[in-house]
Amino acid sequence: AQSVTQLGSHVSVSEGALVLLRCNYSSSVPPYLFWYVQYPNQGLQLLLKYTTGATLVKGINGFEAEFKKSETSFHLTKPSAHMSDAAEYFCAVTPTGANNLFFGTGTRLTVIP
Amino acid sequence: DGGITQSPKYLFRKEGQNVTLSCEQNLNHDAMYWYRQDPGQGLRLIYYSQIVNDFQKGDIAEGYSVSREKKESFPLTVTSAQKNPTAFYLCASTSEGYGYTFGSGTRLTVV
Repeated sequence: AQSVTQLGSHVSVSEGALVLLRCNYSSSVPPYLFWYVQYPNQGLQLLLKYTTGATLVKGINGFEAEFKKSETSFHLTKPSAHMSDAAEYFCAVTPTGANNLFFGTGTRLTVIP
Repeated sequence: DGGITQSPKYLFRKEGQNVTLSCEQNLNHDAMYWYRQDPGQGLRLIYYSQIVNDFQKGDIAEGYSVSREKKESFPLTVTSAQKNPTAFYLCASTSEGYGYTFGSGTRLTVV
């Protein structure tokens, strides 16, 4: 069975500070992992994904995530927060080759000026 | 450009009415999904379809219906049986397990 846990429904950081959003998953088979961002009243936009190969994945807007199989984690980071990063972030997992995604409950990021 | 189009962006429903939300994609994706999102909550799966003329219930299908007569289209009907339909509805599609592409959503309000 697949599931995703996002630690912290709300995270606040100061502008310019490190952003760290946590995601742990469970999967009975090798997973594909995703991070999505959602701005108010909009759909979800893909930030980055891990399928195979290099475990450090770079995405849009300066975000990156590292797949750590031993820790079953896929945490999202950005070295320096910008006001425009304020949004809700969702982690998702799917078994290799499958279609259906399993989403976490989301983390709302607030950036303090 | 390829993508998913949801319409309308805002929709108002009177008590006892059925309303239909449109979702069209030109990505040639096989699978399509409908999610409901309430304030401060995550995504809850309503229905999904892996192939034309076939669909399955998700976690909260009661009060909703769908059809998949064409690969490009997956409309969602919110029936009068859905007692609390006010929410943000998202449509998505995918192919080959490489993640979803989402539409921009429809906000439904009961008046």
